[in-house]
Amino acid sequence: SQTIHQWPATLVQPVGSPLSLECTVEGTSNPNLYWYRQAAGRGLQLLFYSVGIGQISSEVPQNLSASRPQDRQFILSSKKLLLSDSGFYLCANGGRGNTEAFFGQGTRLTVV
Amino acid sequence: QKEVEQDPGPLSVPEGAIVSLNCTYSNSAFQYFMWYRQYSRKGPELLMYTYSSGNKEDGRFTAQVDKSSKYISLFIRDSQPSDSATYLCAMMPPSGTYKYIFGTGTRLKVLA
Repeated sequence: SQTIHQWPATLVQPVGSPLSLECTVEGTSNPNLYWYRQAAGRGLQLLFYSVGIGQISSEVPQNLSASRPQDRQFILSSKKLLLSDSGFYLCANGGRGNTEAFFGQGTRLTVV
Repeated sequence: QKEVEQDPGPLSVPEGAIVSLNCTYSNSAFQYFMWYRQYSRKGPELLMYTYSSGNKEDGRFTAQVDKSSKYISLFIRDSQPSDSATYLCAMMPPSGTYKYIFGTGTRLKVLA
């Protein structure tokens, strides 16, 4: 079965500091990977998705970037965090053999 | 018009009630339909996945798809307090882009 590992679970960062959130996938190869942000009481906003190593599609212009250095590793980064970057960040894999998406447990980021 | 509409709730029901959760969608190309359960501060967990019109049952859960009306439902029988969560519908077109479209979620509270 597939497992999505995300860490850390909770993060408090000052404005202007850098960010690196890591997601790794087990139990599948060559997955499509996704980063979503979920604001309180709102739906899932797709930030980035990747169909392979080094292939990143950005959905929303913002202060964030993503990278996929390995097949089952997806990283969300920022050079300088803004207050508006606070939220619940979710990594998911899906498509390509599994039409349904599977999610990690998320990282709650608070920028102060 | 949003591609997927979902009543945010909250929906409060007594324990043992039958719960009906619904989503409507506008894109007739959607072919894959999913329901997720999300507990507070956790990642969404896949509950049901359906491909075609009709019903699919799994224990106390039944997923129903009506493509002619562009309407999907999730029924929960004999609801339990542990079913209290936010329920998200999701769908995907068959084009191979693997970009999931999520509803905003319905918050359900089952009262003991």
